[in-house]
Amino acid sequence: KAGVTQTPRYLIKTRGQQVTLSCSPISGHRSVSWYQQTPGQGLQFLFEYFSETQRNKGNFPGRFSGRQFSNSRSEMNVSTLELGDSALYLCASSLDPWTDTQYFGPGTRLTVL
Amino acid sequence: GQQLNQSPQSMFIQEGEDVSMNCTSSSIFNTWLWYKQDPGEGPVLLIALYKAGELTSNGRLTAQFGITRKDSFLNISASIPSDVGIYFCAGRGTGKLIFGQGTTLQVKP
Repeated sequence: KAGVTQTPRYLIKTRGQQVTLSCSPISGHRSVSWYQQTPGQGLQFLFEYFSETQRNKGNFPGRFSGRQFSNSRSEMNVSTLELGDSALYLCASSLDPWTDTQYFGPGTRLTVL
Repeated sequence: GQQLNQSPQSMFIQEGEDVSMNCTSSSIFNTWLWYKQDPGEGPVLLIALYKAGELTSNGRLTAQFGITRKDSFLNISASIPSDVGIYFCAGRGTGKLIFGQGTTLQVKP
């Protein structure tokens, strides 16, 4: 069974631009969570989606948004990029929100110049 | 809210040594997970624990769900160079899954 896939793997943007990251969960998994990982802050929860609905949201500004499609694939968008948005963005999938075991993708490394 | 403390922050050990790390929470958890992350990659699930007192092994790795339900331990026996990486604990109580800050393990051949 294929794992969680994320595209692109690497991205370089400049301040003020916007970016869209994509995540395809493990087949059969319907819940997708997004995390931001930086050296100083560890894994910070962004949001969780299930059945195309956002169930939980972390403490991030409104510039960070996401959505989930009917096939459970998810995208997250960051608008008006800031230098501090440089991070590894990780997507994790699970069967449903009530299943704790999450499986991570390889991440998208975003660099904002 | 729920808080998770993971220690130690980093470890530098000799190949062949055993390693132990732990996580403690401010409240009762119902699930404990342990992940390993290699540089530039996403975390990989090592062990999942669902019951207080549960002791589970995965090769040279052994993890335990503390009896108080407020802590968990991960032990690595006879460490090898490929054990290098960041180890994260994660747990869930009544809220969403939360992660520890990670333990960075370095192994000297």
